[in-house]
Amino acid sequence: AQSVTQLDSQVPVFEEAPVELRCNYSSSVSVYLFWYVQYPNQGLQLLLKYLSGSTLVKGINGFEAEFNKSQTSFHLRKPSVHISDTAEYFCAVRGDSGYSTLTFGKGTMLLVSP
Amino acid sequence: DVKVTQSSRYLVKRTGEKVFLECVQDMDHENMFWYRQDPGLGLRLIYFSYDVKMKEKGDIPEGYSVSREKKERFSLILESASTNQTSMYLCASSLQGHYNSPLHFGNGTRLTVT
Repeated sequence: AQSVTQLDSQVPVFEEAPVELRCNYSSSVSVYLFWYVQYPNQGLQLLLKYLSGSTLVKGINGFEAEFNKSQTSFHLRKPSVHISDTAEYFCAVRGDSGYSTLTFGKGTMLLVSP
Repeated sequence: DVKVTQSSRYLVKRTGEKVFLECVQDMDHENMFWYRQDPGLGLRLIYFSYDVKMKEKGDIPEGYSVSREKKERFSLILESASTNQTSMYLCASSLQGHYNSPLHFGNGTRLTVT
């Protein structure tokens, strides 16, 4: 079984400031890690994913995340946020067996103000 | 682009009614999923299906059932709706055999049970 903890339910930030959204996971097997974003009144869409290889993963809209196995973390970062980044962000983990399902964190609401 | 379509954006039903939530995907994906999303709880998996006529319970299947008669369609059924089933329901699909493939989500159905 696996679980995901998103430590912050809300992160307020000013436009053009850097941001980090934190995610920690636990799993007894190797994992694949994902960040999804949900804009208001929409479904979720994939931001980025870590499968293997380089621990720094780049995604859409200037976001990146770093996989840290020793700290079981997969924090999401952006060096300069825009108003349009206001959304809810979900970290998710999946085991590496064929029929493992995605487990989502509770989400972090990123609020970007001018 | 994969399109996952949920038939209703908003739905209001009365306690005790039988409710059908419909989901259709157009990319020949084998896997389909139903999640519910509640504030502060993130996404929780209700049921999923890896093939036609096949279903598996997720984390919170109580009070729900599903039907998958055709590959492209996955229905969620509330046999007797209750007020604690008021929620946002999200359908998703993905490729089978690619356990690191991302989920593609519909825009959700917001169900209110009065």
